Amino acid sequence: DIQMTQSPSTLSASVGDRVTITCRASQSITTWLAWYQQKAGKAPKLLIYKASTLEIGVPSRFSGSGSGTEFTLTITSLQPDDFATYYCQQYSSFSPLTFGGGTKVDIK
Amino acid sequence: EVHLVESGGGLVQPGGSLRLSCAASGFSFGNYAMSWVRQAPGRGLEWVSGISGSGGNTYYADSVKGRFTISRDNSKNTLYLEMNSLRAEDTAEYYCAKRPAFGAGYFQNWGQGTLVSVSS
Repeated sequence: DIQMTQSPSTLSASVGDRVTITCRASQSITTWLAWYQQKAGKAPKLLIYKASTLEIGVPSRFSGSGSGTEFTLTITSLQPDDFATYYCQQYSSFSPLTFGGGTKVDIK
Repeated sequence: EVHLVESGGGLVQPGGSLRLSCAASGFSFGNYAMSWVRQAPGRGLEWVSGISGSGGNTYYADSVKGRFTISRDNSKNTLYLEMNSLRAEDTAEYYCAKRPAFGAGYFQNWGQGTLVSVSS
C-alpha cells in the first residue's frame, strides 16, 4: 500500500497569511494526487486533482504543486472560509486508494 | 447538479449487519465508478470499497474484505454497501463518492454521509 504523510498535522494561521501544507508519498505517484477541504460536520470537497489542476469553482488562492513523492498545497492570503481540515489522496494505486492523515488549519 | 444521498446508517450490535444505500441523481449513474469512504469520529478519511460503472469490478480495503460487499443497481441509480460481521472499529460516518468520467481515482462529488455506530 502507498502511505501518505501530511505535515503539519495542525497549523495556526491568521487571515491574510500564506499557508503551505506538505504531503509525502511512500513511493512515486507521479502526479496522481488530489487535495480536499473538509469543514466540521461536512463532507470533503475536492480542491485540486492531478497535483496542480484546480477543480472548477475553487478560488485561485488555492494551488498545488509537486510530483513523484513530494507535494504541496498552498493557500495565498488565507480567508475566514478557509479554516478547515485538508487531506491529500493518492490515486496512483487504485486498491487501496489512500489518504493523508489531514492538516487542520485553525485561527491563530 | 450531482446529488448523492446516503441512507441506512444506525446503531447496530457487534457482529450485526447493515445495508447502506446511496441514491444518485444529476448524472448518468451507470457511466461512473463509485466508492464508499468512511471517517471514524475525530479521525481521517479511509477508502472502504469501490465499484466500476458496470458493476463488474469491485475493490475492497483489507480492513473490510470478506465482510463488506459493494454493489449497484444502475436501473435505480443506487449504490449499496452490505456490511456484515460489524465491529466497533467500523463505527464511522460513511460517504458515497463519485469518481470523474475518465476513470481517475479521485472523488469529484460526495454525499452528506450516514453514521454507522457499532456498540453493544
